[in-house]
Amino acid sequence: KNEVEQSPQNLTAQEGEFITINCSYSVGISALHWLQQHPGGGIVSLFMLSSGKKKHGRLIATINIQEKHSSLHITASHPRDSAVYICAAGDHSGYSTLTFGKGTMLLVSP
Amino acid sequence: NAGVTQTPKFRVLKTGQSMTLLCAQDMNHEYMYWYRQDPGMGLRLIHYSVGEGTTAKGEVPDGYNVSRLKKQNFLLGLESAAPSQTSVYFCASSYSTSTSGGLLSYEQYFGPGTRLTVT
Repeated sequence: KNEVEQSPQNLTAQEGEFITINCSYSVGISALHWLQQHPGGGIVSLFMLSSGKKKHGRLIATINIQEKHSSLHITASHPRDSAVYICAAGDHSGYSTLTFGKGTMLLVSP
Repeated sequence: NAGVTQTPKFRVLKTGQSMTLLCAQDMNHEYMYWYRQDPGMGLRLIHYSVGEGTTAKGEVPDGYNVSRLKKQNFLLGLESAAPSQTSVYFCASSYSTSTSGGLLSYEQYFGPGTRLTVT
C-alpha cells in the first residue's frame, strides 16, 4: 500500500508570498495528482503529472520520480488561494485508483 | 454539462437504517469512484467501477454496497447504517484511453459531496 505524506500540515502566508507544499510517496506510481478543496466546498483537480513540471497560471507542480517526491508551488499568493491542497498517488492498474495524503491547509492573509 | 452530481446533499440517519446515495455524471466517463472523507484522514476509496455492470472494492468497503447498472450512474448503499459511517462522501469519475503500453487514465472529476450523519 502506498504511503502518501504531505508537509506542512498547516501553512499561513501573507498575500504575495511564494508558497511550497511537499508530497512524498513510498511506492512507484503511474501519476501524481494535486487537488484543491475550498472550505465547505467540492474538490477540484489541479494537476496530474508523471514527470517533470506543469504550470497553470500562478500554480506550478513538479515531480521527481527517482526521489518519489512532488511539490506544489504558488507564486504571488492571494487570499483566494486559501484552501486545502491534497496530493494523491495513482497506482499502475490503469484504473486511476488513488491514495491520498491528508492535505495541507493554506491560509493566505491580505 | 452538469459534470458530476450527487443526491442527496445532506442526510441524517438513525443507526440501523438504510439509504442509497446516487452519483450521476454526464461526461461519458468509464470509471467512477466512491470516497469518504473524515477529519484528520485523507480521502479513502470505498468502491469503484471501471465500466457498466462492474464494481470493485477499494480500501474501506465494509458496510457498503455499490451498483453500476447504467454507465452514467453509480449508487452507494448502506444496508444498516452505523455511527462509524458518519462522514462526507464524494463521488468522482474519470476517463481512460487504451494505448500500446496499456490503459492510461486521467484526472478525476469530483461531485459536490454528501454529508451523512448517523445517530
